[in-house]
Amino acid sequence: DAKTTQPPSMDCAEGRAANLPCNHSTISGNEYVYWYRQIHSQGPQYIIHGLKNNETNEMASLIITEDRKSSTLILPHATLRDTAVYYCIVREYSSASKIIFGSGTRLSIRP
Amino acid sequence: DTGVSQNPRHKITKRGQNVTFRCDPISEHNRLYWYRQTLGQGPEFLTYFQNEAQLEKSRLLSDRFSAERPKGSFSTLEIQRTEQGDSAMYLCASSLANDRDGGYTFGSGTRLTVV
Repeated sequence: DAKTTQPPSMDCAEGRAANLPCNHSTISGNEYVYWYRQIHSQGPQYIIHGLKNNETNEMASLIITEDRKSSTLILPHATLRDTAVYYCIVREYSSASKIIFGSGTRLSIRP
Repeated sequence: DTGVSQNPRHKITKRGQNVTFRCDPISEHNRLYWYRQTLGQGPEFLTYFQNEAQLEKSRLLSDRFSAERPKGSFSTLEIQRTEQGDSAMYLCASSLANDRDGGYTFGSGTRLTVV
């Protein structure tokens, strides 16, 4: 079962920052937070992951609370191409673990 | 390398027929995963391989489903005696065994419709 809770849908104006929340209150010390997104008719795409420090790459920023029970994915300047379903995943950082998807958040970017 | 390739993109079949899908992973990736996705749901894990060894199978993978990765490169997923409930998108992904930096790379999927 998925270990995360996400709002089913959100919307954001184009050009603004999109902040997608995720609750993972039962996360354990050896579990990382991963984010993927799935654009319509495509396979999921890896975005970013982190353990406890904030992370940033060319796609997004990941803010993890100090108690690690929640996180926020930030798309700094949302475009129409960011319209997708965003999945927050908690995963053990071991070679045997696999990705288990929940239902995700459907993000709509309005012009 | 152009990423993970899945064929066919779409398949329509009659109930009771057998179907086979193919996945070509990124060449240096030794792990390969199959997922199934129905409308409005997140992808559900089916099975995964490390090289040619099938290391885990989900309870979702009934005895009508079989997956192979004979030489540790491409993989096939076969569904025998298809049922309408098998209609879904079948996704393949690949990764290095130590996928810590980049996660999984997914293909665009094969959409199966059983009529």
